[in-house]
This record gives sequence, C-alpha cells and structure tokens, in this order.
Amino acid sequence: DVKVTQSSRYLVKRTGEKVFLECVQDMDHENMFWYRQDPGLGLRLIYFSYDVKMKEKGDIPEGYSVSREKKERFSLILESASTNQTSMYLCASLGGGENTGELFFGEGSRLTVL
Amino acid sequence: GDSVTQMEGPVTLSEEAFLTINCTYTATGYPSLFWYVQYPGEGLQLLLKATKADDKGSNKGFEATYRKETTSFHLEKGSVQVSDSAVYFCALGGTGGFKTIFGAGTRLFVKA
Repeated sequence: DVKVTQSSRYLVKRTGEKVFLECVQDMDHENMFWYRQDPGLGLRLIYFSYDVKMKEKGDIPEGYSVSREKKERFSLILESASTNQTSMYLCASLGGGENTGELFFGEGSRLTVL
Repeated sequence: GDSVTQMEGPVTLSEEAFLTINCTYTATGYPSLFWYVQYPGEGLQLLLKATKADDKGSNKGFEATYRKETTSFHLEKGSVQVSDSAVYFCALGGTGGFKTIFGAGTRLFVKA
C-alpha cells in the first residue's frame, strides 16, 4: 500500500523553538509538498520540491524553510516558532504526471506553539 | 490568479438524503479538477477527478461533471450515509507547474 508518513501527529512547542516536521514517501515520486490547513482557509502551499535539493516557494513561505536531501524525504523547518504557526501541517507527494495526477497525503502533524 | 470557491458548510443531512456541494473555479488554460475527502483524524485522499471538459468523475457513489461553460465541478451523491461525514475539498491543477489550488473545504455531517 502506497504511503506518505509524517513523523509526528501532535507536537507542542514554545515560542522561539526550532521545529522539524519530517515526511517520507515510498512511491518514488519526484514532487513533494508542504501545506498548512486552517479552518475556513483550506490548504495553503508553503513550499514544494520537484527534485532532490530543489525547492520552490509556495504561497506562504515566510517563517518556514525546507530540506530535500533524499528523494523520499522532505522536511519542513520552523526556524523560530511563533504562535501564528499553530496549525495542521500536511505533507503530500504527486503521482501521475504534471498535475493531471493525484496528490497522496500523510495523516498530518498538528502543531501547537505556546 | 487561479482560484476555487466552494459552498460554505457545515452541511447537515439525514441518511439517504441527496447531496450537492457546489464548486466553481477561475483558471487560465485547461485545468484538471479534483474532489478530495478528509475523514476525521486523517489526511486528504482523492475522491474523484476529471481532466477535461464534459468528463464525469465518479467514485463510491459520488459524481462530479467538469462544466467549462459554467466553470463548475459540483459534487453530488444520491443517497448519503453516516460514513460519508467528512470534509470535502474541491481543487484544481495542471494550469502550469505542479501547484494544486484548494477550496476552503465543506464539512458534511450525516445523521442516522
């Protein structure tokens, strides 16, 4: 069964802490994405990566960075967490070609910043 | 820029009722259209898709038809079940690059 796995389902961090969210996919997909999900706002794209060591900013990259050292792994980094980054974070990978294909999502990481 | 607008929820229905969730889009080019579903405590999963005008996507009793003339992709099901309670997201992609644009989501509650 194909899978996108996010390392942490729930995290609680303090303002100013560095936060790492890890995502691993086992489908050999080139493209991976980080979204945040907030009520009434749907999913907003933070960053995406179309190849190892390649990254592109999405719609809301401020306060975030990413790392793609291996094809199967895409990490989201909050250098200094703030309370407005409290949210649900969803990782996804893309199959089936340039956006005629399906996004495969992990179960999400719910981050609370105190 | 490209955008997706879907009806606000929550939508509350009784079991076996007919469901429509409206979705309209704005896009340059010829996007693919998707419906994703998020069950409680889970990530999103693809429910159905259509890649060109007049295509009908269907899955698990749900249907949606890609209407270019009205820029719409409304989700329908003839008889909902309690297990259909979830959040439904309309989305578009394929207008250039790899980005998928999501609507705000519509929460559906189905009562027994």
